[in-house]
Amino acid sequence: AQSVTQLDSQVPVFEEAPVELRCNYSSSVSVYLFWYVQYPNQGLQLLLKYLSGSTLVKGINGFEAEFNKSQTSFHLRKPSVHISDTAEYFCAVSDRRGSNYKLTFGKGTLLTVNP
Amino acid sequence: DSGVTQTPKHLITATGQRVTLRCSPRSGDLSVYWYQQSLDQGLQFLIHYYNGEERAKGNILERFSAQQFPDLHSELNLSSLELGDSALYFCASSVGVAVITDTQYFGPGTRLTVL
Repeated sequence: AQSVTQLDSQVPVFEEAPVELRCNYSSSVSVYLFWYVQYPNQGLQLLLKYLSGSTLVKGINGFEAEFNKSQTSFHLRKPSVHISDTAEYFCAVSDRRGSNYKLTFGKGTLLTVNP
Repeated sequence: DSGVTQTPKHLITATGQRVTLRCSPRSGDLSVYWYQQSLDQGLQFLIHYYNGEERAKGNILERFSAQQFPDLHSELNLSSLELGDSALYFCASSVGVAVITDTQYFGPGTRLTVL
């Protein structure tokens, strides 16, 4: 069965600092990977996704993620964060084995950007 | 604003009761997904409907049921409620059935509190 592990439940950083939110997945087949963001009191919003091709994926709001098959990781990065990036970030996986219609989410990482 | 609406925003009820959560998808979207977000379980997929038909089931309890109506709105029915059912319930919609290519747009959620 597929699973997702977000290694940090909370990540505090200062404004304009770089940030990396870590995500590792477990699946015995090829996967599709996603990062979603949840701002306070809102639903989730897709940041970016990896389907195939280039392992470096660029998303909205200056975020990017790199798919690393050998390390089964899909870490999210931003070179310089803003206060407005404070939110909870979820990594998710969907594999190809007939369960196209299901996303499995990690437990989330709360990013807090301090002035 | 994702275009997905959910009502009510908050719901407080007692154990043993039955409630109905409602979701209206974005205009033109045929798929509706239901998710449960709780502190201990995280974000979990419950069920997916496409154009009125059930497409996939996740970790949905037998006490829970859902349907999608001809006008494409969906309802999630939760019965014999227990304290552990207290959670945020999200609805998401997408244009088609493929999770990997069709972006899911999430509603703001219904917060259910069971006392």
